[in-house]
Amino acid sequence: NAGVTQTPKFRVLKTGQSMTLLCAQDMNHEYMYWYRQDPGMGLRLIHYSVGEGTTAKGEVPDGYNVSRLKKQNFLLGLESAAPSQTSVYFCASTLGAGVRNTEAFFGQGTRLTVV
Amino acid sequence: AQSVSQHNHHVILSEAASLELGCNYSYGGTVNLFWYVQYPGQHLQLLLKYFSGDPLVKGIKGFEAEFIKSKFSFNLRKPSVQWSDTAEYFCAVNARQAGTALIFGKGTTLSVSS
Repeated sequence: NAGVTQTPKFRVLKTGQSMTLLCAQDMNHEYMYWYRQDPGMGLRLIHYSVGEGTTAKGEVPDGYNVSRLKKQNFLLGLESAAPSQTSVYFCASTLGAGVRNTEAFFGQGTRLTVV
Repeated sequence: AQSVSQHNHHVILSEAASLELGCNYSYGGTVNLFWYVQYPGQHLQLLLKYFSGDPLVKGIKGFEAEFIKSKFSFNLRKPSVQWSDTAEYFCAVNARQAGTALIFGKGTTLSVSS
């Protein structure tokens, strides 16, 4: 039972390079999220998806794009990396909206450094 | 849109001291409330959650939280902390409305000295 898996776990990019972070969940969850965690800032929502084929902007979407072509996968793309995007990125998923099914399960995180 | 405010950025306690971490949210509708913990170098783990019913909820490792609807608060408590409770604690809220996201506070770092 893998839960939520993120790849890669670590990455160093040069300014201007692009990359894609992959999040995969095997719990048949409808909602998936990408957060970034920075010291003193908590977890800030970048983008999220409420189902296959849907995406929505969060608090800090600029510089990122996402896609949810398959229900189990949520991709986060950086088209032209900037040093300000150095952060730890977490993916999470929830079953959906409703009374009792919004507990989030998290991936292990991706530590990204942009130099 | 909902938002979450955690009052304490860094709390320092000695072992056996009591803990209370404040959390307030803003949203006019019904919400689900959570506390997550992040130990150094690890991802977030669920401590406890409130969906409905008894406003005093108990979680793992002796933690509890009380939902006070009139104050839009969901404070986390533990009667006696241990060195192993050293971690970062996050309050989170998710509106019940479909299509809304899970939003986190900025976190509180708890340091417990032995």
